[in-house]
Amino acid sequence: GAGVSQTPSNKVTEKGKYVELRCDPISGHTALYWYRQSLGQGPEFLIYFQGTGAADDSGLPNDRFFAVRPEGSVSTLKIQRTERGDSAVYLCASSSPGLTNEQFFGPGTRLTVL
Amino acid sequence: GQNIDQPTEMTATEGAIVQINCTYQTSGFNGLFWYQQHAGEAPTFLSYNVLDGLEEKGRFSSFLSRSKGYSYLLLKELQMKDSASYLCAEILDSSYKLIFGSGTRLLVRP
Repeated sequence: GAGVSQTPSNKVTEKGKYVELRCDPISGHTALYWYRQSLGQGPEFLIYFQGTGAADDSGLPNDRFFAVRPEGSVSTLKIQRTERGDSAVYLCASSSPGLTNEQFFGPGTRLTVL
Repeated sequence: GQNIDQPTEMTATEGAIVQINCTYQTSGFNGLFWYQQHAGEAPTFLSYNVLDGLEEKGRFSSFLSRSKGYSYLLLKELQMKDSASYLCAEILDSSYKLIFGSGTRLLVRP
């Protein structure tokens, strides 16, 4: 597809479970970002990949959160022992180095932890 | 984010002009973005400013004053479809991460 895609679009899980959220960036984009957005707030940065490596993971809230991008394309955000406070929309974005550094966002995964 | 301050809500009339203001942290400033986000959808890019002045793009314009740590988004000839949240975001230093404000919810009324 032409844009960033994310799966699943919705995920409902129980407290304590493990979840994986997937992001497919725009083809050829070397940079990939994960953000988290709570209701009525702006997106909050979690982690940034340049190629396969995590260039900045300063936004990950704790060690229950982990993300990978093994081949420099698709990325997976992994959350262990989910808590109710993890409920939010998880947004993925990608970009290609350029004048504006515009980030293209995917539709997000709405995570609900019961 | 605590770096960014923008009004929570604004209301305007179809066909009118509205200005959404944003103040941001100036230390390490390296660029200012505006995104539009309709409810339940992804943010979409509107504008990018790094130098002082006004950037015009159709009905939307964005202004930046680096010395004042101030930006605004100007929407002209408002349409009902412009009802959305408008997110102001900055990039600091050599980082690529966007630091967003909480967004301004704009309601356009007939």
